Amino acid sequence: AQSVSQHNHHVILSEAASLELGCNYSYGGTVNLFWYVQYPGQHLQLLLKYFSGDPLVKGIKGFEAEFIKSKFSFNLRKPSVQWSDTAEYFCAVIGTNAGKSTFGDGTTLTVKP
Amino acid sequence: DAGITQSPRYKITETGRQVTLMCHQTWSHSYMFWYRQDLGHGLRLIYYSAAADITDKGEVPDGYVVSRSKTENFPLTLESATRSQTSVYFCASSEYQGASTGELFFGEGSRLTVL
Repeated sequence: AQSVSQHNHHVILSEAASLELGCNYSYGGTVNLFWYVQYPGQHLQLLLKYFSGDPLVKGIKGFEAEFIKSKFSFNLRKPSVQWSDTAEYFCAVIGTNAGKSTFGDGTTLTVKP
Repeated sequence: DAGITQSPRYKITETGRQVTLMCHQTWSHSYMFWYRQDLGHGLRLIYYSAAADITDKGEVPDGYVVSRSKTENFPLTLESATRSQTSVYFCASSEYQGASTGELFFGEGSRLTVL
């Protein structure tokens, strides 16, 4: 069975601070990995994804994530957050034969101006 | 417009009533999903469908019924609504075959309140 663990439930940062959100997954095979973002009052949308190749992937709005296979991790990073990054962030994994994604519980990021 | 649409966006109902949430997608994606989002629980999968006439239970299927007679539609029915089903429901679709990665495309959500 797939499972995803996000270590931080709520993160509060000041503008220009650096961000790293942890994500670890459990799955006994090849996976595709995703970070989704949900801005207040909106639906989830894709931030970035990894499915093969360079383990450092870049997404929209300056976000990036690194897939470390040996650690079963896919941490999200941003060097300098903005107030507009205030949102909830979800890590998700899909096994190559699973068809359905499993989500972490989400991390609420609050950026203070 | 292409995309995935949910209706109604907001619904208030009473305990014991039947409620159907509609989901329609225009991409012809093979997979469709229903999630519920609750504070402290993130997103939980209720049911999903790999193709027309093929559905399967997710993590929290009790109290819900789905059908998929056409590829583009995936309605979710609460046969006898309970207060614990007060939630925001998200429909999503994806294409997960060949080179596709399984990225999910979400609808705007349906906020259901059961009194």
